[in-house]
Amino acid sequence: QVQLMQSGSEVKKPGASVKVSCKTSGYIFTSYAINWVRQAPGQGLEWMGWINTNTGNPTYAQGFTGRFVFSLDTSVSTAHLQISSLEAEDTAMYYCVRGLGSDFWGQGTLVTVSS
Amino acid sequence: SSDLTQDPAVSVALGQTVRITCRGDSLRSYYANWYQQKPGQAPILVLYSKNTRPSGIPDRFSGSSSGDTASLTITEAQAEDEADYYCNYRDNSGDRIVVFGGGTKLTVL
Repeated sequence: QVQLMQSGSEVKKPGASVKVSCKTSGYIFTSYAINWVRQAPGQGLEWMGWINTNTGNPTYAQGFTGRFVFSLDTSVSTAHLQISSLEAEDTAMYYCVRGLGSDFWGQGTLVTVSS
Repeated sequence: SSDLTQDPAVSVALGQTVRITCRGDSLRSYYANWYQQKPGQAPILVLYSKNTRPSGIPDRFSGSSSGDTASLTITEAQAEDEADYYCNYRDNSGDRIVVFGGGTKLTVL
């Protein structure tokens, strides 16, 4: 069955970096894009962008350029989200989501930024 | 901000029918998808391409569209349907951006 398993919660200090992993299984990794979605505490869903798993080409939504980087390790069917220069406002749940149809979601990774 | 507008909260009596709407000019061109999110859980897809249910989604969930408004209808709402519901669409041109609505909290009374 299709699964997207994300790495565990992270607590970071402002200015640090974090890398969230999304390991997929149950389908051909390069057949579906990976999207990233952010959900701040008590807030709605915010699309961060997507990465083409065939070409590795990322597309970032407005507001998610510069400090946010999508990458892949196709050898282990895994996508990564790296956030640098963390700010308190980056505290959120981050989800990876399969495909342009956004049909399967990872369980989420909580990133907490606090001094 | 979002160009998809949803009512923040809707309520329905147990066993009754409820419609959750999503409005935006882009919906004249693109189908809406709908996601259900229960507290502490990741969202799940409940409808796509306007009115197609993924495997495992009960047939009491249905979708429709008219003009700039997409609707999710839950017939004979159950207690377990209490959740947040989000609409979105994907722009199939250019960068294929995705836009989410602000979400609707459904309470089953």
